[in-house]
Amino acid sequence: DTAVSQTPKYLVTQMGNDKSIKCEQNLGHDTMYWYKQDSKKFLKIMFSYNNKELIINETVPNRFSPKSPDKAHLNLHINSLELGDSAVYFCASSQTGLATDTQYFGPGTRLTVL
Amino acid sequence: AQSVTQLGSHVSVSEGALVLLRCNYSSSVPPYLFWYVQYPNQGLQLLLKYTSAATLVKGINGFEAEFKKSETSFHLTKPSAHMSDAAEYFCAVSGDTNAGKSTFGDGTTLTVKP
Repeated sequence: DTAVSQTPKYLVTQMGNDKSIKCEQNLGHDTMYWYKQDSKKFLKIMFSYNNKELIINETVPNRFSPKSPDKAHLNLHINSLELGDSAVYFCASSQTGLATDTQYFGPGTRLTVL
Repeated sequence: AQSVTQLGSHVSVSEGALVLLRCNYSSSVPPYLFWYVQYPNQGLQLLLKYTSAATLVKGINGFEAEFKKSETSFHLTKPSAHMSDAAEYFCAVSGDTNAGKSTFGDGTTLTVKP
C-alpha cells in the first residue's frame, strides 16, 4: 500500500487555467504539507495542516488554496495558472507535526504550464 | 530563524570511495537535523535524523552523520559509495518555530562513477 499518494502524477495545462492536485495518506498521521520543488531542485514549504487546521502558510500567492476535508487528505487548488507555477509539487505527512517528526513524501506531481 | 547551507551542489566520487556531503545549520534553539534522499522522479525519503540523543547517528543504506554543535555541522558520510547511491541529498533543520516547520537546504547531487 502506498503511504502518501498524489494525483495526478503529471499535469500539463495552459496559462490562466485552474487545476487541482489531490493528496491522500494512509499512515494515520495528523499533519500534512505541500512543498514546491523548482527546476533547480530547491524545496520550499507552502502549507501545513494539522487535523484539518491550517498551521503553516508561507508567502504564497493567494491563487494557491489548500483544502483539507479530513486529516487523511490535503488538496491543492491553483487558480489562474502562470508560467512560474511550473514545478514539482510534493505532498508530505508526519505523525504529529512536531519538529522531531520524520516527514513522509508522496511521489510528486509535475505541473507544466504552457 | 533557522537555515541550512549545503556546501557543494554537486559531488562526484568513484564507486567504493568515501562519500562526504556537508551540511551546516543555523538555529536560535537546539536543532533537530535530518538528511533526506531523493532518487530520480521520486519523493524524498528519510536517511537519518538527529533529535538530541546520540551525536553520531546511523541511518539506512550504510550512511551516518555526526552532530557537531561547536561547528554547527551535520555532515553525511558513507565509507564506500555504491552506484545506487547516486541521487539528490537534502539536509533539513527544524525546531526554531512552534509549527514544527522544517527548512531544507538547496540539495547536493551525488554522482557515483564506475
